[in-house]
Amino acid sequence: GDSVTQMEGPVTLSEEAFLTINCTYTATGYPSLFWYVQYPGEGLQLLLKATKADDKGSNKGFEATYRKETTSFHLEKGSVQVSDSAVYFCALSGIDGGTSYGKLTFGQGTILTVHP
Amino acid sequence: SAVISQKPSRDICQRGTSLTIQCQVDSQVTMMFWYRQQPGQSLTLIATANQGSEATYESGFVIDKFPISRPNLTFSTLTVSNMSPEDSSIYLCSAGSFQETQYFGPGTRLLVL
Repeated sequence: GDSVTQMEGPVTLSEEAFLTINCTYTATGYPSLFWYVQYPGEGLQLLLKATKADDKGSNKGFEATYRKETTSFHLEKGSVQVSDSAVYFCALSGIDGGTSYGKLTFGQGTILTVHP
Repeated sequence: SAVISQKPSRDICQRGTSLTIQCQVDSQVTMMFWYRQQPGQSLTLIATANQGSEATYESGFVIDKFPISRPNLTFSTLTVSNMSPEDSSIYLCSAGSFQETQYFGPGTRLLVL
């Protein structure tokens, strides 16, 4: 079945540092890929998405590129802020019309803490 | 984008009781789902809420424990039945249309004593 693997956390950075959170996936066909963010005490918010190979999703300074050859969708930001402290989830949406149709499969989440 | 609300936002319940969580979407959507997020964990799909028919449950989740209704394209309920402390989690509903982004509600934080 479909699966998503994220880098081990938690990640602690100083403000203005470069961020990378690795995400790799296993899926049938060509899933859509997502990054969701969960701020403390809140629900999930969509951060960015990509629906086909080589697409780059971007939002709020975050970027991720859909790499089919390496089955990866790593999240990057050039300069993090304290307000970026949150839990980040990589996810994929199955499209094969079978049991994974439309459902999101999540990675384990990565806790990011940014210090001033 | 769809705006999703959930009620209640949190609750504290006694074991053996049941709680019904409501999910309301501000527009008609094809697909609605219910997820569980146990403390410090990722999200696990409970079931797909099907409009006008029985929900489709994932492995490890059963209708007797988590009955779901979806009477129309904008509303769904999840009931957590005969609760135990192990049911303490955040329950989230999501909604979207085929190959479109799924949007999430703010979640219902449940503590079972």
